[in-house]
Amino acid sequence: QVQLQESGPGLVKPSQTLSLTCTVSGGSISSGGYYWSWIRQHPGKGLEWIGYIYYSGSTYYNPSLKSRVTISVDTSKNQFSLKLSSVTAADTAVYYCARDHSYGLSYWGQGTLVTVSS
Amino acid sequence: AIRMTQSPSSLSASTGDRVTITCRASQGISSYLAWYQQKPGKAPKLLIYAASTLQSGVPSRFSGSGSGTDFTLTISCLQSEDFATYYCQQYYSYPRTFGGGTKVEIK
Repeated sequence: QVQLQESGPGLVKPSQTLSLTCTVSGGSISSGGYYWSWIRQHPGKGLEWIGYIYYSGSTYYNPSLKSRVTISVDTSKNQFSLKLSSVTAADTAVYYCARDHSYGLSYWGQGTLVTVSS
Repeated sequence: AIRMTQSPSSLSASTGDRVTITCRASQGISSYLAWYQQKPGKAPKLLIYAASTLQSGVPSRFSGSGSGTDFTLTISCLQSEDFATYYCQQYYSYPRTFGGGTKVEIK
């Protein structure tokens, strides 16, 4: 059974960079066939897709966030990471990592709340 | 980006009711549509993909239909554990986009 777990600081200061890591267990990122994704949910709001990375390192970012987002992968640790720069209060959200297959987001992490505040 | 519009945004229903939620895409997405259920404080759970295919382990009271731009999620006989928020999502193109959600509440 594939499991994903987000980790990282729960509090980030404005203008700094938000950094989160997703650790995958029960399956290898390197096996291919899946797109490893980040999604966020503002408090009490809907879901916003941030971007994905393939095990090869290819990425696609939501154009709305593209200038500030970097997603990377470390296949040796079976992890992928999110960096979001120049954060503001509007980036306060629950951040989820998920596995994207050709039929949707089939596995999700539990989510981690990141608050942007001084 | 493809815009996904769900309706209603919320509804009140009783256990045993039949519930229908609609999702409309701003352009044709064939059958590249998924439905998710989210309970408070939890991650979304994939219910249906390819517009009408039930994910493994999902009760048969859930069903999906539609193609192109118009889709529906139906819960045939609402159970207490079905009170949650439901989202549609297109995976026809990137960026992936979600509907605004439909909160199913107890009447």
